Amino acid sequence: DIQMTQSPSSLSASVGDRVTITCRASQSIRNYLNWYQQKSGKAPKLLIYAASGLQSGVPSRFSGSASGTDFTLTISSLQPEDFATYYCHQSYSAPVTFGQGTRLEIK
Amino acid sequence: QVQLVESGGGVVQPGRSLRLSCEASGYTFSRHGMHWVRQGPGKGLEWVAAIWNDGSKTDYGDSVRGRFTISRDNSKNTLYLQMTSLRVEDTAVYYCARDNWIVGSITSYDYWGLGTLVTVSS
Repeated sequence: DIQMTQSPSSLSASVGDRVTITCRASQSIRNYLNWYQQKSGKAPKLLIYAASGLQSGVPSRFSGSASGTDFTLTISSLQPEDFATYYCHQSYSAPVTFGQGTRLEIK
Repeated sequence: QVQLVESGGGVVQPGRSLRLSCEASGYTFSRHGMHWVRQGPGKGLEWVAAIWNDGSKTDYGDSVRGRFTISRDNSKNTLYLQMTSLRVEDTAVYYCARDNWIVGSITSYDYWGLGTLVTVSS
């Protein structure tokens, strides 16, 4: 199975900060990488698909990029509603796997 | 608008069975693959099972293969997960999710249900 390792596991930041979350795949997954946001008690929400595609309706402060097996989710200017847990997800090969999550908290 | 509504969760003893349902609306159900994803208490997301849009192919995570069966009824716009030989470690919120795959793109889950809680306990 492909392992997805997210870093950091948790992060404290302030409104207006620029935040970066990284996900590393244990092998090449090309651009088969998605990012989800999950707020407490809610279902996950798709933010970024295929490494850098912005899902319809998602604010443009969210962006994704890739370099080899490293993938990055960037929030350019944190808003109060962005405090949540973020997961990466590879769909390159079965079984699809998720990262362990990054909890983004208010500083 | 697309909606996915799970049902069928509850408390069940180890070794027993349970069937989850996910009713879809707001889109052509038969055009999309579907998945079940679960989340144990305080844990991350774990993919459970997938089924092609026409039901011709299924796949399972190692932890549930041989015990769970995914199926769908396109005439009823409904996805199912039959769970047998349940274990304490199957305790989780179970989400159904729509596969957004289209030619030239990749699998992602663009719509999720609210989830249904399954608790396996004696």
